[in-house]
Parts: sequence; structure tokens; C-alpha cells
Amino acid sequence: TQLLEQSPQFLSIQEGENLTVYCNSSSVFSSLQWYRQEPGEGPVLLVTVVTGGEVKKLKRLTFQFGDARKDSSLHITAAQPGDTGLYLCAGKNAGNMLTFGGGTRLMVKP
Amino acid sequence: DAMVIQNPRYQVTQFGKPVTLSCSQTLNHNVMYWYQQKSSQAPKLLFHYYDKDFNNEADTPDNFQSRRPNTSFCFLDIRSPGLGDAAMYLCATSRGLGSRYNEQFFGPGTRLTVL
Repeated sequence: TQLLEQSPQFLSIQEGENLTVYCNSSSVFSSLQWYRQEPGEGPVLLVTVVTGGEVKKLKRLTFQFGDARKDSSLHITAAQPGDTGLYLCAGKNAGNMLTFGGGTRLMVKP
Repeated sequence: DAMVIQNPRYQVTQFGKPVTLSCSQTLNHNVMYWYQQKSSQAPKLLFHYYDKDFNNEADTPDNFQSRRPNTSFCFLDIRSPGLGDAAMYLCATSRGLGSRYNEQFFGPGTRLTVL
């Protein structure tokens, strides 16, 4: 069974601060997806990383896939209250099934 | 806009009373998935369809069934809901299987309450 450990579970910061969320596994994934989920809504895909060592930027969000494709990180620069939500990483195996991490609940206070 | 639609968004049922949740997609994707997400937890895959081929996860209870009458629609049937089945149910789609570029797109979910 492939497991993804996500840390931290909860994060409460002030507007303007930077943060990093980590997603770690002992398994190799063919790709890894990051989602953001708001209360009462479904997860919204932010990015897919595919190649080991890949870095993708989405405005103030920077996603990195580890060289060995076992881990990933999400870095948010100058967080804003609109970034508040549940961030989920999900690793994809060869069969296209997703293994989700436990999620990081982020609250950005004005 | 192409999308994944779930109806209803909120469903209340009684203990033991069958309930059906609906998902439709305009993406023309081959694969449709059903996930269960309990409060403060990650989504858990129940089953998926690749076209008409049904694939059940090993730990999905028999109480949960699914139907996919055509490419666009997929239903989740809970035959005898228990209190522990109260959760958010998420439908997702992907173009195919096997390629690492195939991304899953989620609907807004149906929150099920069991009284």
C-alpha cells in the first residue's frame, strides 16, 4: 500500500508570511497532484508534477517534485486570506489511482 | 465550461433508507470515480468505471453500489445507509488510465446526512 504523509496537518499564519507544506512517501509515484479544497466543495486541481526535480510556479505558489519522485513540497510566498483552505497532495500510481495525503488545513489571518 | 456536476449538493436520508447520488460530466472522459470523504479526512476511493468496466476497491462495503448507464452519468447507490455513511461524496473524472498525464477533476460533492 502506498502511503503519503503530509505535514503539517494544521497551519495558522498571519497574512504576508511564507509557508511550506510537505508531502512524503517511501513509494515512487508516476506523478503527483496538488489540490485545494474549500469547505463544502470538491478539491480543485492546482498543479500536476511529473518529472523528478520538476518545479512549477503558479503565481505565489511554488511546487516541487523530489528527484526520486517520492516527495513533494508546496511553498506559498506572502500568504493571503484567500489562500485559506485544505491543501491535499495526491500521488498517482501507474494505474491512475490516487493516493491522498492526510491534508494540510491552512488558515491565513488578516 | 466543461465540468463535473453532482446532484444534489446536500442529501438527507433516514437510517436504512436507500439513497442515490448523481454525477454527470461534460468532459467526455472515459473514467469516472466515486470517493468518500469524512470530516477532516482525505478522500477515500470507493470504486471507478473505465467506460463500462466497473472496478471496486477491496475495502468498499457491499452496501455501496454504482451504475454508469452512459459516458456522461454515474450513480452511487447506498442500499441501507448507516450513521457511519454520513460524509461528503465526491465524483471525479479522468480522460484515461495508465498515463501519468491523466489528471482527475472533481465535482463539488454531495454532503450526505443520515438521520
